[in-house]
Amino acid sequence: DVKVTQSSRYLVKRTGEKVFLECVQDMDHENMFWYRQDPGLGLRLIYFSYDVKMKEKGDIPEGYSVSREKKERFSLILESASTNQTSMYLCASSIDRVGGANVLTFGAGSRLTVL
Amino acid sequence: QKEVEQDPGPLSVPEGAIVSLNCTYSNSAFQYFMWYRQYSRKGPELLMYTYSSGNKEDGRFTAQVDKSSKYISLFIRDSQPSDSATYLCAMSSSWGKLQFGAGTQVVVTP
Repeated sequence: DVKVTQSSRYLVKRTGEKVFLECVQDMDHENMFWYRQDPGLGLRLIYFSYDVKMKEKGDIPEGYSVSREKKERFSLILESASTNQTSMYLCASSIDRVGGANVLTFGAGSRLTVL
Repeated sequence: QKEVEQDPGPLSVPEGAIVSLNCTYSNSAFQYFMWYRQYSRKGPELLMYTYSSGNKEDGRFTAQVDKSSKYISLFIRDSQPSDSATYLCAMSSSWGKLQFGAGTQVVVTP
């Protein structure tokens, strides 16, 4: 089974703290993604990466950064957490494609609360 | 206007009923259509994947795509309490980013 593992399931942080969310996949997938999920808004893409050390902005990158030093690991960083970043964060990966759909495999999610 | 529209529900049905879910979209370039199921406090998991128009069946699940109407559907036959979850539609063009609907919460009552 493809596995995408998010190390922290639940986090509580204070405003202004630096937050690291870690994601590891074990299927040698080229592409990795970070989404946030909020009620009524669905999944919104924050950042994605199609190769080691490569990153691309998604639809809502403001206030976030990412790091991909190894193929299997993709980290999301909140430099200075704010209350409006309270959300469920989902990491996903997908195999590379030549045309065709980008079928994602998701991790279990990290629920972040910023007080 | 969102590219993908999906009624958030909740949709409550008795056990054994047919569940009917749908999404509409505006981008005529979409060719790949997916349904994900998400249980409470879990990540989404791929349920069905369809390319272009037509029907696809997998056990109790049927996915339909009508590109002319920009409308996709998911039907769950003989629904079970274990089908209670949020169902997300997702779609993309070739090479494009996956666009998600907001998800429909389904509750199947025994």
